[in-house]
Amino acid sequence: DAKTTQPPSMDCAEGRAANLPCNHSTISGNEYVYWYRQIHSQGPQYIIHGLKNNETNEMASLIITEDRKSSTLILPHATLRDTAVYYCIVREEGSGNTGKLIFGQGTTLQVKP
Amino acid sequence: EAGVAQSPRYKIIEKRQSVAFWCNPISGHATLYWYQQILGQGPKLLIQFQNNGVVDDSQLPKDRFSAERLKGVDSTLKIQPAKLEDSAVYLCASRRAGVYEQYFGPGTRLTVT
Repeated sequence: DAKTTQPPSMDCAEGRAANLPCNHSTISGNEYVYWYRQIHSQGPQYIIHGLKNNETNEMASLIITEDRKSSTLILPHATLRDTAVYYCIVREEGSGNTGKLIFGQGTTLQVKP
Repeated sequence: EAGVAQSPRYKIIEKRQSVAFWCNPISGHATLYWYQQILGQGPKLLIQFQNNGVVDDSQLPKDRFSAERLKGVDSTLKIQPAKLEDSAVYLCASRRAGVYEQYFGPGTRLTVT
């Protein structure tokens, strides 16, 4: 089972920041938080991941709380092309790990003009 | 670099018939995954290969599903015989050694009537 809880849906105005929350209260010390998104009729796409520090790349920012029990994915200036299902996934890293992703239901983000 | 290729993109069959899906991962990616995504749900891992060996097939219904990755490159997923509940999108993903991001193909949408 997925180890994360996300709201089923959210709306965001085009050009505004989209803040997608994720709860992972049972996360353990060697587990990373990953975000993927899936645009309609496409395969999932990697966005960003982190352990405990905040992370930023060209697509998004990831803010992880100090206790690591929750995180927020931030799309700074949402566009209509960001409309997708966003998945928050907790995954153990390290040698021997298979890299398996366990997807939950995700959050459907609708960006509106 | 070219992405993960899958074919066919769409397939309609009757129950009890057989079907096969093909995946060509990104060049140099040793790990290959097959996921099943039922409408409205997140993808679920069916099987994972490391080169041409199976790493995890715990969620594969082995009475009807089979998969192979001969020569450690392309892979084929087969269903024989198909059931109505096999209607789903079948996603292939690949990953390079030492990097945990998975790259997904566009998927094959299977409809069983």
